[in-house]
Amino acid sequence: AQSVTQPDIHITVSEGASLELRCNYSYGATPYLFWYVQSPGQGLQLLLKYFSGDTLVQGIKGFEAEFKRSQSSFNLRKPSVHWSDAAEYFCAVFTSGTYKYIFGTGTRLKVLA
Amino acid sequence: NAGVTQTPKFRILKIGQSMTLQCTQDMNHNYMYWYRQDPGMGLKLIYYSVGAGITDKGEVPNGYNVSRSTTEDFPLRLELAAPSQTSVYFCASSYPGGVGSYEQYFGPGTRLTVT
Repeated sequence: AQSVTQPDIHITVSEGASLELRCNYSYGATPYLFWYVQSPGQGLQLLLKYFSGDTLVQGIKGFEAEFKRSQSSFNLRKPSVHWSDAAEYFCAVFTSGTYKYIFGTGTRLKVLA
Repeated sequence: NAGVTQTPKFRILKIGQSMTLQCTQDMNHNYMYWYRQDPGMGLKLIYYSVGAGITDKGEVPNGYNVSRSTTEDFPLRLELAAPSQTSVYFCASSYPGGVGSYEQYFGPGTRLTVT
């Protein structure tokens, strides 16, 4: 069955430190992969997406993600975290055969000043 | 473009009452979705639609109904509200093909409390 796993429920980093949020997916075909960010009380905003081509994709707010087919992973990274990055982050896969998106359970990021 | 709009933003219902959550998008997107998000949880798909006149159940459809008479509108109906339906509801839309395809655009959400 298709699934998305975000193994880290909570992550705390200091401002200026690097960040990596993990995402693993299970999907038989070539996946369409997404990372979204949700600030408290807000809707979800797209950070970046992967469809095909270059496996390292750049997004907004200085985020990037790398697609690794062999590891079924799509980890999100940022070289230097800002306090405003504190939010919840969701990884998702679009399953073209069913028209549905499958979301991970999210990783809540806390940034220490 | 206003994007995806949802009304109301907040609502308190009594057990057994009914209501409709409105969702409208002005991007001419084919696909529309309703999700619920419970505290500390991810998104669970309630219903979705791939075009006007076509709807299908997601993973948690019980207690809800939808219709899609136009491309723009995708209302979610709650019949006989129950405390288990207390949640934040998000509507989203997307379209296949071309630049930006399959990106989901989310509304700001409706926070519903059933007491």
